[in-house]
Amino acid sequence: GDSVTQMEGPVTLSEEAFLTINCTYTATGYPSLFWYVQYPGEGLQLLLKATKADDKGSNKGFEATYRKETTSFHLEKGSVQVSDSAVYFCALSLFQGAQKLVFGQGTRLTINP
Amino acid sequence: DVKVTQSSRYLVKRTGEKVFLECVQDMDHENMFWYRQDPGLGLRLIYFSYDVKMKEKGDIPEGYSVSREKKERFSLILESASTNQTSMYLCASSPVLAGELEQFFGPGTRLTVL
Repeated sequence: GDSVTQMEGPVTLSEEAFLTINCTYTATGYPSLFWYVQYPGEGLQLLLKATKADDKGSNKGFEATYRKETTSFHLEKGSVQVSDSAVYFCALSLFQGAQKLVFGQGTRLTINP
Repeated sequence: DVKVTQSSRYLVKRTGEKVFLECVQDMDHENMFWYRQDPGLGLRLIYFSYDVKMKEKGDIPEGYSVSREKKERFSLILESASTNQTSMYLCASSPVLAGELEQFFGPGTRLTVL
């Protein structure tokens, strides 16, 4: 079935470091891909998305490119801040009566000053 | 500003109790979803609804039921709570619009079953 695999966490970095969180997927058809972020004590919010191959989603300095050939959607940021500390979820969408999301297991990111 | 609210942030119940988790959205969205979030497992879909009085099972519906009597409200029911239902429960909603894929999430209810 459809699934999403993220790199294991937790990930701890220093401020201004480069961030990569890996995400690969398995899907029938051509799903849309998402990164959601969950800040402490809050629900999830959409960070960025890409709806077709080679699309690049970007927001708040984060970027991810939909790579169909490697079935990947890795999240990157060039210089992280303490305020980026959160749990990040990669997800794909598929339509089954409604637009459903399949999530990866989440990666906890901690940025130290 | 779009908003999904959940009735409680924290809830403690005893084994065997009937538990109601309420979710309300003010965006006139057709679709509503209930997930549970567990460390290392991400979010798993319990039930979803694409219209009033319509419901569909998600990936882990056992031990749960849902009710959607009004468009803005989607309730998750634990008929007889068990300790393995201790978890964070997240509600989400989304519109039915061509190209609109985002789900909007509530803050979550952390349920502990003793």
